[in-house]
Amino acid sequence: SYVLTQPPSVSVAPGETARITCGINNSGSKSVHWYQQKPGQAPVLVIYYDTDRPSGTPERFSGSNSGNTATLTITRVEAGDEADYYCQVWGSSSDHPYVFGTGTKVTVL
Amino acid sequence: EVQLVESGGGLAQRGGSLRLFCAASGFNFGRYAMSWVRQAPGKGLEWVSRVSGSGANTYYADAVRGRFTISRDNSKNTLYLQMSGLGAEDTAFYYCAKSPNDPSGYHLYYLDSWGQGTLVTVSA
Repeated sequence: SYVLTQPPSVSVAPGETARITCGINNSGSKSVHWYQQKPGQAPVLVIYYDTDRPSGTPERFSGSNSGNTATLTITRVEAGDEADYYCQVWGSSSDHPYVFGTGTKVTVL
Repeated sequence: EVQLVESGGGLAQRGGSLRLFCAASGFNFGRYAMSWVRQAPGKGLEWVSRVSGSGANTYYADAVRGRFTISRDNSKNTLYLQMSGLGAEDTAFYYCAKSPNDPSGYHLYYLDSWGQGTLVTVSA
């Protein structure tokens, strides 16, 4: 099974760049998807298949994946980016199709 | 526009049952796999169950298998989650979520639309 490890928190000043990592155990190439969850709201998909942005996701959001570590990068951070961010992979079986990371709270200073 | 609206949450007794509903609109409901994902207060996301577009195939997390049943009525554009044998560990917000398809109609394994969630609280 897969375990996705994220830092509990990341703090960033407005206008700076935030980088959120997702460590993937069980080496092997996995596509990573990212969700943003603002306080009191449902999650929203912001990046899929490592680097693709749904319509509506600002270009300030980008993703990368080196194999064992995926990264969500937010450039020119705004106050409205303050949220929890979760990575997710396919668990490689129908019984565990969605494996979520532990989540990272991004705080805009 | 895709809309998913959950209902049916509330207070349940330990060992009791509850049925959740998710009304879908804005897309061809029967063509897409749907899932339930839960989030205990202050905790992370946990996948609960998934059903194929036709309803023929269902999948469950180990924590709920044998207690929860996912189903759908494509004629009513509605997803269901029948929960029984509830315990304190089932207290959470429950979200319904849609998976996209690839161009050939194959169900993909991420979640591109989510409802606002419904809160289930299991009392002692």
